[in-house]
Amino acid sequence: QSVLTQPPSASGSLGQSVTISCTGTSSDVGASKHVSWYQQHPDKAPTLLMYDVSTRPSGVPDRFSGSKSGNTASLTVSGLQPEDEGFYFCSSHAGSYTFLFGGGTTLTVL
Amino acid sequence: QVQLVQSGPEVKRPGASVKVSCKTSGYSFTNYAMAWLRQAPGQGPEWLGWLSTNGDSNFYAREVEGRVSMTADTSTNTAFLDLRGLRSDDTATYYCARVWGGYQFDFWGQGTLVTVSS
Repeated sequence: QSVLTQPPSASGSLGQSVTISCTGTSSDVGASKHVSWYQQHPDKAPTLLMYDVSTRPSGVPDRFSGSKSGNTASLTVSGLQPEDEGFYFCSSHAGSYTFLFGGGTTLTVL
Repeated sequence: QVQLVQSGPEVKRPGASVKVSCKTSGYSFTNYAMAWLRQAPGQGPEWLGWLSTNGDSNFYAREVEGRVSMTADTSTNTAFLDLRGLRSDDTATYYCARVWGGYQFDFWGQGTLVTVSS
């Protein structure tokens, strides 16, 4: 059911960096300036982590960064902290008030 | 502070209808559209549509169009999702989320689990 492809899991050691990818098509991620990322902890509502590919909302640490190349967007978490463990998913505007989401990636901090 | 508080869990039989509410506070309700999404366990969300809270337009995902209605009561700053003809694959946690900047969702409700089972 998820249209954007994410790896189901990712992991990294405390203090290291990890990158999560989000792959769509030339009709959504490739064409959109509006790719966003969300973080979700177990049994909690998602929180906005990144928008417009690489812009952090106020309050999000600069350890989080976003980028896009072609049809793939990426979220990089640097200097991994224990509180970074959670579920991450991407979203892309796909035209005409339509939004697509990734299947989500579970991030484990080792 | 901005808060979106949703109604409680629901258990429904196939073919029934469900109405989920999302009561907001801490901001001007009609200045932001409201989106509805749902999420099955362990999966990313699915876009269901959005509601212009000043009443001039709705946009529904093709997957639920014809079975869904999204409305708002500006006197109580509450948004509603109605889903009819429930099927087992409608079982999910349903979220309301404030649309910010037109393209992202900056505040979410706590979620409402809807279970469809015979």
